[in-house]
Amino acid sequence: SQTIHQWPATLVQPVGSPLSLECTVEGTSNPNLYWYRQAAGRGLQLLFYSVGIGQISSEVPQNLSASRPQDRQFILSSKKLLLSDSGFYLCAWSVPLYRGSNEKLFFGSGTQLSVL
Amino acid sequence: AQKVTQAQTEISVVEKEDVTLDCVYETRDTTYYLFWYKQPPSGELVFLIRRNSFDEQNEISGRYSWNFQKSTSSFNFTITASQVVDSAVYFCALSAHYGGSQGNLIFGKGTKLSVKP
Repeated sequence: SQTIHQWPATLVQPVGSPLSLECTVEGTSNPNLYWYRQAAGRGLQLLFYSVGIGQISSEVPQNLSASRPQDRQFILSSKKLLLSDSGFYLCAWSVPLYRGSNEKLFFGSGTQLSVL
Repeated sequence: AQKVTQAQTEISVVEKEDVTLDCVYETRDTTYYLFWYKQPPSGELVFLIRRNSFDEQNEISGRYSWNFQKSTSSFNFTITASQVVDSAVYFCALSAHYGGSQGNLIFGKGTKLSVKP
């Protein structure tokens, strides 16, 4: 069966510090991978998605970046955090379209990031 | 433009009451998919249902039911005989394929449901 791991669960970082959140998926190959952010009162916002190693699409301009160094690893990074980066970050995966995806997303347990 | 609106920010009911969560969507696509997800206090989103735009049949799963009305662009979710364990934030989401996108989901802002004993 497939599982998704996301860590850390909580993180408190000072403004201007770097960020690295990691997400790994097990039990499937070549998944589509996603990073979402849930800010208070604003629902879920898609930040990045990836259809393969080294392929990253950004949905919103920001000071965050994403990388996919391995097939089932997705990393969210920042060189200098802003206060506005605070929020709940969720990693997700889905079966790719060419394998008959029903577009169902499977979410990780999330990372609560507080930038102070 | 694509958009999902969940007008109800918070709903509070007493156990055993029925409750309906509203979802209205906008899309230019003729082929699209609608979803509901549940986010319990633990934070992880749990998939509830997926419906494609060509299937307007209502669906029932235990105490859950969904009413898809294409004419009003709505996909409402009803919980019958609510229970305390239903307390969560519920998200409605839309996936469309314009511009060759991968069907990335656009989420509403969520409705927080509190079921009191």
